[in-house]
Amino acid sequence: KNQVEQSPQSLIILEGKNCTLQCNYTVSPFSNLRWYKQDTGRGPVSLTIMTFSENTKSNGRYTATLDADTKQSSLHITASQLSDSASYICVVSANYGGSQGNLIFGKGTKLSVKP
Amino acid sequence: NAGVTQTPKFQVLKTGQSMTLQCAQDMNHEYMSWYRQDPGMGLRLIHYSVGAGITDQGEVPNGYNVSRSTTEDFPLRLLSAAPSQTSVYFCASSYSTGTGIYEQYFGPGTRLTVT
Repeated sequence: KNQVEQSPQSLIILEGKNCTLQCNYTVSPFSNLRWYKQDTGRGPVSLTIMTFSENTKSNGRYTATLDADTKQSSLHITASQLSDSASYICVVSANYGGSQGNLIFGKGTKLSVKP
Repeated sequence: NAGVTQTPKFQVLKTGQSMTLQCAQDMNHEYMSWYRQDPGMGLRLIHYSVGAGITDQGEVPNGYNVSRSTTEDFPLRLLSAAPSQTSVYFCASSYSTGTGIYEQYFGPGTRLTVT
């Protein structure tokens, strides 16, 4: 069964600190993996999208890594800011002939950044 | 561009009532989707459309209808509301980057409560 598991479920860090969020998946055949940021009361916003051949991708202070062999991804946030407080969702796309109706969403990690 | 817009933002229904959640996008994206987000669960796909006049079922389609008469609009109809349909509903539009990846944009969501 295609699944995406994220850890931890929630995390509290102090402003300025770094943190790493984890994503493990059992999706086959794999097409791409993306990380979304979802602020409270808003829709998810894409941070990064990585294909099978990419193992690192950055977007400002956000760096995502992908290990397609172990089926693991991580999202590293550097020098956290209060505005980083949000849920971070890992999404894996299964490759079914290009159809986009096959995104598998994780439950998300809720990050709280405290001053 | 307004991006993806959804109305209403909040709605309370009584069991058995029907209503339509509106979704519109002004980016000329071919692909549109409806998701529901429940506490402790990942986003789940309800219905999606690959273009005007074409719709298909997602993971949890029961109790919902959709139609796509134009590229811009993708309304979601609740036929006879049930308490189990209490959720936050997100509409998304997507376009193909040409590399097998669909870049996805979400609306702000509609919070629906069925009593």
